[in-house]
Amino acid sequence: AQKVTQAQTEISVVEKEDVTLDCVYETRDTTYYLFWYKQPPSGELVFLIRRNSFDEQNEISGRYSWNFQKSTSSFNFTITASQVVDSAVYFCALSESNNNDMRFGAGTRLTVKP
Amino acid sequence: DVKVTQSSRYLVKRTGEKVFLECVQDMDHENMFWYRQDPGLGLRLIYFSYDVKMKEKGDIPEGYSVSREKKERFSLILESASTNQTSMYLCASIQGGLGGANVLTFGAGSRLTVL
Repeated sequence: AQKVTQAQTEISVVEKEDVTLDCVYETRDTTYYLFWYKQPPSGELVFLIRRNSFDEQNEISGRYSWNFQKSTSSFNFTITASQVVDSAVYFCALSESNNNDMRFGAGTRLTVKP
Repeated sequence: DVKVTQSSRYLVKRTGEKVFLECVQDMDHENMFWYRQDPGLGLRLIYFSYDVKMKEKGDIPEGYSVSREKKERFSLILESASTNQTSMYLCASIQGGLGGANVLTFGAGSRLTVL
């Protein structure tokens, strides 16, 4: 069965620090998709990125970057030069192509202090 | 801008009350979902619906029921609220199924407190 582990429950950093949010997954499927969602204090989860299992290229979007490594079953998320507006709960999720299901990690609460 | 709207952001109910949580989406999505969010547990699927009047149990359906009379509206019902149902409830919708590359669109959540 698919599973997503976000071992970091809470992280607190000071503005401008870099921070990495870890995500480790388990799946038996060879075709799967990994996602990151952000939940700001307003409550609505917002989609950030999607990666399929055949694309291990790392991605950068502004201050955000994602490191996908199949060898360690990890899909980590790094925020460079963090800002107060990055404070949120971040969820990693996994869906499999052969299974009508999506599994979420427990979430990591990031607090960025001014 | 596409939207999933949950009618109530905050509710306070008493034990034994019947509770309705309403969700409406304007994207003509076939599939709609109710999740429960608790600290340390992430999002857990309660029920989902893949068509009008159709429903399927998720991981934690006990104590809940759902209704989908129209494509755009999906309601979560707590027949007799209990204190252990105090939680954040998130509605979401998706075009296509959960498996694969499809992206969920979420509402802002309904925080329910049962006293």
